[in-house]
Amino acid sequence: QVQLKESGPGLVQPSQTLSLTCTVSGFSLTSNSVHWVRQPPGKGLEWVGAIWSGGSTDYNSALKSRLSISRDTSKSQVFLKMNSLQTEDTAIYFCTYGYNYWGQGVMVTVSS
Amino acid sequence: DIVMTQGVLPNPVPSGESASITCRSSKSLVYKDGKTYLNWFLQRPGQSPQLLTYWMSTRASGVSDRFSGSGSGTYFTLKISRVRAEDAGVYYCQQVREYPLTFGSGTKLEIK
Repeated sequence: QVQLKESGPGLVQPSQTLSLTCTVSGFSLTSNSVHWVRQPPGKGLEWVGAIWSGGSTDYNSALKSRLSISRDTSKSQVFLKMNSLQTEDTAIYFCTYGYNYWGQGVMVTVSS
Repeated sequence: DIVMTQGVLPNPVPSGESASITCRSSKSLVYKDGKTYLNWFLQRPGQSPQLLTYWMSTRASGVSDRFSGSGSGTYFTLKISRVRAEDAGVYYCQQVREYPLTFGSGTKLEIK
């Protein structure tokens, strides 16, 4: 069955780089896209970006200059990297396949 | 970017009554294939979002027929018939017509 699981550090210092991994099973990354969505504490959902079956990407306009999404199809993993982190980047980060399947999310806190 | 604006519900809604959640987009979400590219989600407290409908009115697999989506190119409604306690949470609309994708700010539903 389809599963997605996010992993990464719970705490990141301001100005540092965030690295998250989404490990998927039950579908192929070479045939399907994976999206990232984030949610600051107590706030709404924000689309972060996506990586397509061919490897191309689309990013949130406000995050584009700091964001990179990539993948390793042999490991069924999708990676999110965001640099110059600020406290406003504190959020739960979700990965999703088709918006019908979601990971449980990983909480990232940006704080010194 | 397309801006999504959601309405507010007069909470709480009595169990067994109907509730209608509205969403407006700053640009038509109708694509040249004739489909309207709008998703609706429910997020219960502490959970990942759940896809309810896509293409404005097509229910996702396993979603109750008490949920129905409708609308035009820029104005949309999610109607919940005979609300139950498990329908409580925050509802989000999302446009998937063009990138970057965008969500509405959410509409909270409380059940009495």
